[in-house]
Amino acid sequence: QKEVEQNSGPLSVPEGAIASLNCTYSDRVSQSFFWYRQYSGKSPELIMSIYSNGDKEDGRFTAQLNKASQYVSLLIRDSQPSDSATYLCAKSGGSYIPTFGRGTSLIVHP
Amino acid sequence: GAGVSQTPSNKVTEKGKYVELRCDPISGHTALYWYRQSLGQGPEFLIYFQGTGAADDSGLPNDRFFAVRPEGSVSTLKIQRTERGDSAMYLCASSLGGQHDTQYFGPGTRLTVL
Repeated sequence: QKEVEQNSGPLSVPEGAIASLNCTYSDRVSQSFFWYRQYSGKSPELIMSIYSNGDKEDGRFTAQLNKASQYVSLLIRDSQPSDSATYLCAKSGGSYIPTFGRGTSLIVHP
Repeated sequence: GAGVSQTPSNKVTEKGKYVELRCDPISGHTALYWYRQSLGQGPEFLIYFQGTGAADDSGLPNDRFFAVRPEGSVSTLKIQRTERGDSAMYLCASSLGGQHDTQYFGPGTRLTVL
């Protein structure tokens, strides 16, 4: 089992809809969780980090963490075509080194 | 201010050759990371520097890979006797150095081994 599991997609949603991206992880030690956005041919860009159980909101983005279920998600409200990208989930434990999932491709169509 | 820069942006080499990839982190960032990303995969950790020293090199795949950061700023990833399987995007990231500090990625170097 991979340490960080993501459905590779693509996830296709219409413009204006809510996009829901999910990620599961395999340990109970990880403390920090991250969502990165990566446009095709570009490098990853951090959009959200979350450390405590519950929800964290930042603009149109909401990250949700459930450590008991080993599950973290990212909701994108009012999805725009410019949100079309690959979304990488990552975790880190006691070290400073994040472990990345393979990413979920999101397509927002007009 | 300037972000993380990496040179070259593209490198094509022949099997068996030696290559060096350079990373110039954000000024003042003490932590520097190297990752390798293959198509359709997430970044795979290679090595982490805190200052001049390699704090964790557990991700280096074998002894053909080596990285240095002699003055605690610029880092060079060195690959000896390149193999076709080394072809990938090599990403560098830097951060202020705390565990929760944001990592800022450079644009990457696309390495192709023929």
